[in-house]
Formats: sequence, structure tokens, C-alpha cells
Amino acid sequence: DTGVSQNPRHKITKRGQNVTFRCDPISEHNRLYWYRQTLGQGPEFLTYFQNEAQLEKSRLLSDRFSAERPKGSFSTLEIQRTEQGDSAMYLCATRGTEAFFGQGTRLTVV
Amino acid sequence: QQPVQSPQAVILREGEDAVINCSSSKALYSVHWYRQKHGEAPVFLMILLKGGEQKGHEKISASFNEKKQQSSLYLTASQLSYSGTYFCGTAATGNQFYFGTGTSLTVIP
Repeated sequence: DTGVSQNPRHKITKRGQNVTFRCDPISEHNRLYWYRQTLGQGPEFLTYFQNEAQLEKSRLLSDRFSAERPKGSFSTLEIQRTEQGDSAMYLCATRGTEAFFGQGTRLTVV
Repeated sequence: QQPVQSPQAVILREGEDAVINCSSSKALYSVHWYRQKHGEAPVFLMILLKGGEQKGHEKISASFNEKKQQSSLYLTASQLSYSGTYFCGTAATGNQFYFGTGTSLTVIP
């Protein structure tokens, strides 16, 4: 257990539905990252927060994706109008000197 | 911005050594190394912060050449438990953080 908690662990949704994932970071880590990982690939950077401020967003993050980190604590990642190509593992990581990953949320869009 | 790793895959017998390389097109602030086993999240191995820095943990060590924007991970006397996919993670500043293309390592008896 790394101390980073992600919920839900698995999500199956129908194409076109909205989904929201949650990440609860290590409390003293002010840097929080979201990544997407598909089978056989490395984690792809999606977005980064320092405290409550979203400082960077990848071009991979289309306008259907939005992330928040109110009060600089937990973070949510929402995907609107899901598509089959959104099926992937979504990883959250928080970072002090080193990065710690949650176990991820596996999204399957059917 | 994604760093490139080589080789893409390697198969070793127990006790053999391996080197995994990570190369970036951008100047690096730090390099992290992670190992990921199938179906699990990446697990942190080590971080290198300074140019030319070397670190080691048991039989796994790494070097970071800041000028060449490269890092290498050295696995000596490999064990079955070393199997997995290894990723470097690079920070061009203190904030941005990107993972490499990955190297699949398989250790066989």
C-alpha cells in the first residue's frame, strides 16, 4: 500500500456515459499527477496539479476530460461522453521526492 | 517529450546482468526508475538528481549523465523477481514528469 488511494478500482460503462474517478493522495504531497496507461504501453501524462492549481494539461486531454483538485486534497478526473478508445487504466500519482502510484482505475467502455 | 528507452525487451537467465538505457531530448532535472509487474501499478526504484550521480539498491544501480540527458539502470545477478517492465521517468523541470517507452525484462530459470 503506497498511501495513494483510487476509486473505483474497476468501472464498466456504456459508450456515451460520463464517468468520474477519485484519487486520495498522500496528505503531505502537494504534487498530483494523472496518467493513462493502455496494455503494453507506458503511462501517458494527462495532467498535473500543485496543490489546487492545475498547472499543466497534456494535449491528450481532450475537452471531454476534466480534472479538479478542490482545496488541494483529493482529485477527481471526469470523462464525458465516453468512447471505446477511452478504455484504459487511469493512474494517479503523488510526489514528494519520489512518486507514489495508486492502484489505478480500470475503465472499460462497451 | 517522452523519453526513449532501449532495449524494448530483454530476456535473461537467472544470474545474468542487464543494462536499460533512457534518453531524453530535453534537459533533465531528475530521473526516476520504476518497475511495473503485470496488472499492478508502477513501483518506485530510485531517483537520481544530479549530473553524473550514481545510486544503488542491492543489485540494482543507476547512473545519470545530465549533460547527455541520459540515464542507465544496471541489474546485476538478475533474479526471477526482477521480471517486469521498467520505466524511466524524467522531469525537465521540478514539475513536469514523463514516463519512458518501457523495457520488458524477463528472467528465466
